[in-house]
Amino acid sequence: DAGVIQSPRHEVTEMGQEVTLRCKPISGHDYLFWYRQTMMRGLELLIYFNNNVPIDDSGMPEDRFSAKMPNASFSTLKIQPSEPRDSAVYFCASSLRWQGDEQYFGPGTRLTVT
Amino acid sequence: QKEVEQNSGPLSVPEGAIASLNCTYSDRVSQSFFWYRQYSGKSPELIMSIYSNGDKEDGRFTAQLNKASQYVSLLIRDSQPSDSATYLCAVSGTSYDKVIFGPGTSLSVIP
Repeated sequence: DAGVIQSPRHEVTEMGQEVTLRCKPISGHDYLFWYRQTMMRGLELLIYFNNNVPIDDSGMPEDRFSAKMPNASFSTLKIQPSEPRDSAVYFCASSLRWQGDEQYFGPGTRLTVT
Repeated sequence: QKEVEQNSGPLSVPEGAIASLNCTYSDRVSQSFFWYRQYSGKSPELIMSIYSNGDKEDGRFTAQLNKASQYVSLLIRDSQPSDSATYLCAVSGTSYDKVIFGPGTSLSVIP
C-alpha cells in the first residue's frame, strides 16, 4: 500500500486567503484523523472521521477551520480565511479498526501564512 | 482531562549505550500504548505497540508497561546515531477513546 497521501507538501499563502489541504487514507482504514503540530503546542488532534462521518471536531480551533470526507478515499481540511497563527505542519493519519488503534501518518503539509 | 507526560529532554546518550524513554499517563483504564518515532521534518512513525503488562521486544527496542504505576517506557539497546529523533508516547483507553499523544522526548545519540 502507498500509505497515507497528503497534498500539497508545502503551502505558502498570504493572510486572508483560503487554504485547502488534502488527504487520502490507507485503503480499508475506517478512521481518518487530522492533526496540527507546532513547537509550542505539540501534536493536536483537530477532528476525526469514522466511515466518512465526522465524530469529534472538538479540537478544531475556530469556525475558520472546516473538514470534509466525501468518500472513503478522500478528505479535505480547509482554512478560510487563513491567519499567520495557523502556520504549522498539518498531518493526516488513518487507522484500521477504532479511534484508539495504531495510527499511520501521512508526510504532512507544512503551511506558512504570511 | 486525560494527560500523557514525557520528559522533553533532550536526552543524550553515547553510541552503543541503552537509551531509556519514559512516559506516564493519567487515565487508569488506559488499555493501548504506542511509541512513535519522529525524525526532524518528518511525520510520526509507529515503532511499538503494547497492550499487556510486562515487556515486549522488537529488535533493539523493548517496550515496558506497568499499568499499576501508570507507566510505560521504551528502551533502545545499542543506540545508533540514526536513532536520534523525537519519541512520542501515545495512550488510549477503550475502543471508544481517542489516542492521546505526549509532548515527546528528544533523543540524541552521540557518536
